Amino acid sequence: GEDVEQSLFLSVREGDSSVINCTYTDSSSTYLYWYKQEPGAGLQLLTYIFSNMDMKQDQRLTVLLNKKDKHLSLRIADTQTGDSAIYFCAETGRGSTLGRLYFGRGTQLTVWP
Amino acid sequence: GAGVSQSPSNKVTEKGKDVELRCDPISGHTALYWYRQRLGQGLEFLIYFQGNSAPDKSGLPSDRFSAERTGESVSTLTIQRTQQEDSAVYLCASSQSLNTEAFFGQGTRLTVV
Repeated sequence: GEDVEQSLFLSVREGDSSVINCTYTDSSSTYLYWYKQEPGAGLQLLTYIFSNMDMKQDQRLTVLLNKKDKHLSLRIADTQTGDSAIYFCAETGRGSTLGRLYFGRGTQLTVWP
Repeated sequence: GAGVSQSPSNKVTEKGKDVELRCDPISGHTALYWYRQRLGQGLEFLIYFQGNSAPDKSGLPSDRFSAERTGESVSTLTIQRTQQEDSAVYLCASSQSLNTEAFFGQGTRLTVV
């Protein structure tokens, strides 16, 4: 099965860095994703990383992947109040479950001014 | 359209009634997915459609749930004899093909009273 775990809450001050962590179980996942969900909105893909990469940087976002420990993290530099949202980690299935994404429960990020 | 469109955005129904939820995917997207998000939970896979292949229905929680898709266009998710535990946000997503970026709609919030 696929089990994706995340801490539920994170609070940071504006301007600080935020680090959201995620662990997953399926070491054969092809892609790992970070989605953002703002109140009353659908999910927005923030970034993704291919399983053969260790790191991906995209402006203020840095994704780190540790395949040995099955650990994924999302770092947001210079966090702003507009970054307050729920962040979901997700992994793809393989083989018969290729079309699925397996999501964590989401981390509620609160940014204080 | 420009994005994935879902209707209605909110639905309140009485226990035991049937409901139909609609999803209009992005034009040209061959893959379409339905997920359920219960309060405080991650997204739970329900079903996906990929082109003319048989849909993967293995995530549907009971035989009260069914979904259809006509070609590569609109999909409807039907819940028969609704129960209170069916209350959730139902999210639809589409992608160009399996395992490519999935774009989510804003969801239908279903409340069974």
